[in-house]
Order: sequence, then C-alpha cells, then structure tokens
Amino acid sequence: EAEVAQSPRYKITEKSQAVAFWCDPISGHATLYWYRQILGQGPELLVQFQDESVVDDSQLPKDRFSAERLKGVDSTLKIQPAELGDSAMYLCASSLVQGLNTQYFGPGTRLTVL
Amino acid sequence: GQQLNQSPQSMFIQEGEDVSMNCTSSSIFNTWLWYKQDPGEGPVLLIALYKAGELTSNGRLTAQFGITRKDSFLNISASIPSDVGIYFCACRTSGTYKYIFGTGTRLKVLA
Repeated sequence: EAEVAQSPRYKITEKSQAVAFWCDPISGHATLYWYRQILGQGPELLVQFQDESVVDDSQLPKDRFSAERLKGVDSTLKIQPAELGDSAMYLCASSLVQGLNTQYFGPGTRLTVL
Repeated sequence: GQQLNQSPQSMFIQEGEDVSMNCTSSSIFNTWLWYKQDPGEGPVLLIALYKAGELTSNGRLTAQFGITRKDSFLNISASIPSDVGIYFCACRTSGTYKYIFGTGTRLKVLA
C-alpha cells in the first residue's frame, strides 16, 4: 500500500541551527500539506501546495520557515534558525486532488530543539 | 479564530464498553472529519461527514454531523485494546481547502 514517506523520523538540534525535513507524497498526489503538531494539540496547517505552487502559507512563520516543492513531487520544509518553541511533530500529508478530504499522513518528524 | 473543542479531553474505559466523544465549534462547517492518531504516527481518517444530520458508520465506529452544523459526535461500540489512541475531529474552512483540527480526545482502554 502506498504511503507518505518522511525523513528523518527524529531530529535533535540546538537552537539557532538550521534543520530540514523531507516528504515524499503518495505517487500521483497533487496536493501536499505540511502540519505542525505541538504535544497535546491537534495538527496545525503550515503550508499547502498544489503541484509546485503554494496555495496557503498564511500560518507559516516566514521569517524562519521555508517550504518548497520544486518539481511538484517531494517537498522540503526548512527552519533557520531553530528556536526552542519549534519543538514539535512535523507532519506531511498528501491528497489526490485539492479539496478531497482523504488526506494521507506520513509518520512525521519529531523535532527537539535544545 | 475558528476553534474546534473536543470533549472529553481523555477517557479511561474498560474493554467492551461503548465510548462517546464530541466536537463543537462556534462556527458553521460543511465538512466534519474524524481521525485517529496512534503514538508516533500520523492521523488516519476514520469517517467523513458532508451533510447536516448525516449519520455514518465504519465498523464499530459511528459519527454524526450535527443539525446546527456546529458539532459532531463519534461513538465507538464494544471497545477493544487497539482503539487506544488520540481521536481528532477536523473541519474544512468554508471557501478554502484548509483544515483545522480539534484539541483531541485521548482514549485508553483497560483490558
């Protein structure tokens, strides 16, 4: 069964360092989402791509976060510099088309900033 | 902003018991979704609801879309140990493809 792949699964870094997370959506899925999930809370959307274009990044802290999906397939989310408050699970999800409610989530990357 | 409040926050039940949890909002939504998240994993979609009053089942799970379009509930019948996890409701904001998630209900099943 096709799955959304994410790496790394775990990342520990010191504040002020740069970190990057990678996501490979299910093959053929045009829509890709990055979410941040703070412990004890629900996921919060950071950025949504339709193919290679950003559809919504209103919740992305653009002073330190960036996301790209250059060829409309896999995607990278970067944080530079990392802050203590960035410690969270970063989830990637994909769906076949925009608006389709069936989003398939990856296992996430758990980031700890020391 | 728009928020989804879930209750209870957590529940401990005996295996075999039925479970009920709900999700409420001050805003109206046209789509309600229920997800389950296991520890260290991403959420998995359980049930999707599209019409006010709609009642949908998926095995031992039943969910309803409230008539006011401001709430939804999820029931689990005859709970089993693998039902353990965090259950989230989610809604799609009107006019966008953006989803907001509730605060979650943590379920623990005692064998």
